[in-house]
Amino acid sequence: EVQLLESGGGLVQPGGSLRLSCTASGFTFKNYGMTWVRQAPGKGLEWVSSIRGDGSYAYYADSVKGRFTISRDNSKNMMSLEMNSLRVEDTAVYYCAKVHNSGGYYEYDSWGQGMLVTVTS
Amino acid sequence: QSALTQPASVSGSPGQSITISCTGTSSDIGTYNLVSWYQQHPGKAPKLLIYQVSKWPSGVSNRFSGSKSGNTASLTISGLQAEDEGYYYCCSADSGTQILFGGGTKVTVL
Repeated sequence: EVQLLESGGGLVQPGGSLRLSCTASGFTFKNYGMTWVRQAPGKGLEWVSSIRGDGSYAYYADSVKGRFTISRDNSKNMMSLEMNSLRVEDTAVYYCAKVHNSGGYYEYDSWGQGMLVTVTS
Repeated sequence: QSALTQPASVSGSPGQSITISCTGTSSDIGTYNLVSWYQQHPGKAPKLLIYQVSKWPSGVSNRFSGSKSGNTASLTISGLQAEDEGYYYCCSADSGTQILFGGGTKVTVL
């Protein structure tokens, strides 16, 4: 059974930084891309960033490009999202998700429970 | 890139069929067969229902079906059940390596 466990969320001031982590189990981690999707309170889903299985390519939403950095450590079955220059509008539940097909990053078949990030002064 | 456009709400009676539309542009839905659909119940993580326009992931009921025509994708739920209440999101890749989600549709079973 695929399991994804996020950690690292919390409260941070505008302009601050936070690092989210996602620990995976139940599948061959290095063979699949991984993704972060967020959901602001009472709002819809927003794709944030994806990374390929071997870590060779990373993709970012325009709204976070230059501020967020996605990475992975396949030896530890872990993915991370380093978030800098945080804004109030980054407040959301952040989900890590597993990419369904090993070749792309377009659909997500397993999701973590979500981690709340609150940016407020 | 703007989000994909979905109706805010759709409702139906048990046993009926309903269809949720998702309108994009020629730069996303119109060009790529990379439309997926997700179901989300309040307070829960999303669940993948359909990928690549009309394919089912393992374990998903075939009461859910997907299609696409031009710049619009659709999700049809047949034999509507009480457990189908929730929010539904479409998703598509676009020409600029971005992934777009729709604004979400609330499904109510009357």
